Amino acid sequence: ETGVTQTPRHLVMGMTNKKSLKCEQHLGHNAMYWYKQSAKKPLELMFVYNFKEQTENNSVPSRFSPECPNSSHLFLHLHTLQPEDSALYLCASSQEPGLAGEGTDTQYFGPGTRLTVL
Amino acid sequence: GDSVTQMEGPVTLSEEAFLTINCTYTATGYPSLFWYVQYPGEGLQLLLKATKADDKGSNKGFEATYRKETTSFHLEKGSVQVSDSAVYFCALSDGTNAGGTSYGKLTFGQGTILTVHP
Repeated sequence: ETGVTQTPRHLVMGMTNKKSLKCEQHLGHNAMYWYKQSAKKPLELMFVYNFKEQTENNSVPSRFSPECPNSSHLFLHLHTLQPEDSALYLCASSQEPGLAGEGTDTQYFGPGTRLTVL
Repeated sequence: GDSVTQMEGPVTLSEEAFLTINCTYTATGYPSLFWYVQYPGEGLQLLLKATKADDKGSNKGFEATYRKETTSFHLEKGSVQVSDSAVYFCALSDGTNAGGTSYGKLTFGQGTILTVHP
């Protein structure tokens, strides 16, 4: 596998369910991101993890809970979602500058998980 | 805060027509600018980027020039193909680390749907 992979590709869940989205990057990057893509709205950054530490939480409701166990894996745990949470959830990764200053601002995206909340 | 404004779509063209998708931005610093493309059922792919004023990014026949004086980064292609049908996103990256390498979270425009007919 190369690049950024996401599973599942499609998910249908009820409002009382608990599910998790998984993202894995095979690029050796140290930063990972969750975005939400809704119809007719710009991409919304949800969370940023840099060197496994959460560095950004864009006022995301607590029913979305991210987890980053290592720099290659990122999860988004979902519980008691609302129908308006139905969207495409995109994961991305990038190489943030380290102590030596190397890095790039280019983010590489996975194919997304299409989530439908009934 | 930072923002990106793209021309409203959808844009419908015939094959071999000239394409322009306008993008303007607002940013407090010196951002990097990007165009991403999203083909049906896929995640976002980097199309091209420019990191400083007057830089021209180019890829697959697409071009965009970083115009600081007009805060614009318009996407152009001289002759579009059916396979170019997709959603195009303009984005900027804020933040610059101490080493001068630009990095940070992306701010996206709302996306422009392009449909090319044979």
